[in-house]
Amino acid sequence: AQTVTQSQPEMSVQDAETVTLSCTYDTSENNYYLFWYKQPPSRQMILVIRQEAYKQQNATENRFSVNFQKAAKSFSLKISDSQLGDTAMYFCAFMTSAYSGAGSYQLTFGKGTKLSVIP
Amino acid sequence: DAGVIQSPRHEVTEMGQEVTLRCKPISGHDYLFWYRQTMMRGLELLIYFNNNVPIDDSGMPEDRFSAKMPNASFSTLKIQPSEPRDSAVYFCASRPGGANTGELFFGEGSRLTVL
Repeated sequence: AQTVTQSQPEMSVQDAETVTLSCTYDTSENNYYLFWYKQPPSRQMILVIRQEAYKQQNATENRFSVNFQKAAKSFSLKISDSQLGDTAMYFCAFMTSAYSGAGSYQLTFGKGTKLSVIP
Repeated sequence: DAGVIQSPRHEVTEMGQEVTLRCKPISGHDYLFWYRQTMMRGLELLIYFNNNVPIDDSGMPEDRFSAKMPNASFSTLKIQPSEPRDSAVYFCASRPGGANTGELFFGEGSRLTVL
């Protein structure tokens, strides 16, 4: 079974600064997806960024980027130029790829990191 | 485009009552998932469907929970009888079939409080 661990229950950052959220996972699969989802106070889960395990290049989406270390099973999220709207719970998540043959499409989530951006 | 639509957004009920949560997935999505979110356990997958057929219900906590998907545009999660420990936010999510990016599209959730 896959597990996802987020070791930082809460973090804070000054606006315009940079913050990094940590995530580690455990799997025996070779093909999989990793995600960071954001859950603002409105409660809806919103995809922030996605990484395919077979891609060595780290994914980036505007101010959001990841540091994917496959051998270490680490997938951290860096938020640059933090904004007040970034205040939310952030969840790291893992999904087996359809091409792995495992046949499971469930998303396994970490417990989340509560990020507060301070004005 | 309409996203995943869930109802009700909030539900307060008394222990022993039946609760029905509803979900309309994004049109054309072949997979539908029900998740439960609590402070203690985080986000847990309860059940998921592919083309209206339940594929994995191993996350359903007990027989009091049941889920159905009578057609491609509607699913229900029912709790009967409800208990205070069922209090949580229940999310429905959907995604397309075939080769895709793996992203799930979530609804806004139904917050259930059982007194």
